[in-house]
Amino acid sequence: GESVGLHLPTLSVQEGDNSIINCAYSNSASDYFIWYKQESGKGPQFIIDIRSNMDKRQGQRVTVLLNKTVKHLSLQIAATQPGDSAVYFCAENANAGGTSYGKLTFGQGTILTVHP
Amino acid sequence: NAGVTQTPKFQVLKTGQSMTLQCAQDMNHNSMYWYRQDPGMGLRLIYYSASEGTTDKGEVPNGYNVSRLNKREFSLRLESAAPSQTSVYFCASTRDRASDTQYFGPGTRLTVL
Repeated sequence: GESVGLHLPTLSVQEGDNSIINCAYSNSASDYFIWYKQESGKGPQFIIDIRSNMDKRQGQRVTVLLNKTVKHLSLQIAATQPGDSAVYFCAENANAGGTSYGKLTFGQGTILTVHP
Repeated sequence: NAGVTQTPKFQVLKTGQSMTLQCAQDMNHNSMYWYRQDPGMGLRLIYYSASEGTTDKGEVPNGYNVSRLNKREFSLRLESAAPSQTSVYFCASTRDRASDTQYFGPGTRLTVL
């Protein structure tokens, strides 16, 4: 999960393993969630999103699970590859009646390291 | 189609100096955003522009000003830089509002001495 401070959570896996990255979000009014991948020296890159009326969504090698009861979000990466090594951020958006113009609140990130 | 571009990539300032960070997008997006990212932390929203001609404060607006020059361009200005503004600054854009994917630029690394 996410933590406060300068020390990001880390996850180390072997190539080919499945990875699960967790995120606890704070706002019970949030209705849209996104996972971003950020490689060193680059901007965040969209991976997958999910709306609050869903509890699971699948993409290519990635699955996002949403548990609104405990305000928990997870990203599952299947058959993790060295190229998946990066910092992964979850972000939440509270639509506030449709007036929140994409104002995202980001978690602090998890460092994923994939060993060949 | 370059997406979101930012200039400069790196900048070093002395305390009290001013500068403007430039951002442009070629995706015909309506909304644009400025974030800062500090070591070991997620991104925090500084200012955003929901549409051309409008700007609003985000989570950490103090010490910054913005200008939505036109639909493509959204600039961030530091009038009197402070060491606390040392950070990596990211610009992002979305087609419209809340549920649209945000596309990020490559970032500007700013150091204030």
